[in-house]
Amino acid sequence: DQQVKQNSPSLSVQEGRISILNCDYTNSMFDYFLWYKKYPAEGPTFLISISSIKDKNEDGRFTVFLNKSAKHLSLHIVPSQPGDSAVYFCAASSVYNQGGKLIFGQGTELSVKP
Amino acid sequence: EADIYQTPRYLVIGTGKKITLECSQTMGHDKMYWYQQDPGMELHLIHYSYGVNSTEKGDLSSESTVSRIRTEHFPLTLESARPSHTSQYLCASSGIRGTPLHFGNGTRLTVT
Repeated sequence: DQQVKQNSPSLSVQEGRISILNCDYTNSMFDYFLWYKKYPAEGPTFLISISSIKDKNEDGRFTVFLNKSAKHLSLHIVPSQPGDSAVYFCAASSVYNQGGKLIFGQGTELSVKP
Repeated sequence: EADIYQTPRYLVIGTGKKITLECSQTMGHDKMYWYQQDPGMELHLIHYSYGVNSTEKGDLSSESTVSRIRTEHFPLTLESARPSHTSQYLCASSGIRGTPLHFGNGTRLTVT
């Protein structure tokens, strides 16, 4: 039973355009959501987070949107750059789920072409 | 900056060997975690600790064991490595809830 799902294993975008990465979750008790970026042979790097009391959080080129009724969040990157090419993981946690441990999706591999 | 350190980065060993993957953090975090990740798959939590002398098994069954004798150190041990243990092992730590996990660079383990 996968509680956090990223249904697109890969995404290809042209440099300068918008990248939209999607994530769905099933547990309505999740109250904290994060996006991580991962290069091969390295650990994930934290990008941006959002709590369930908000529906949008922005940090530079990165914006995360949360739609609680649809149990859906998305990460927008604009403009996309070749250096953004990596695997992106969404993650979620709930204080009621074993003390707030993070549950990760399968990841989406983003390729930004020059 | 690397506030959480994992060694070795890469390890190739034969079946049956005992190995210990090291993880240390300098941030004074109480919570530490071990995740296992294969290409194209999600990160699976295999062990976690909320403080010294506290360890718990995660969601994914693992034949490894961990210890937490000091706040900054959270090593993972495999008593007898098998090819099925081939994977990337990621260590992480966090402070209070609502703050993100910080990950190390991982150990890529290959068991032949």
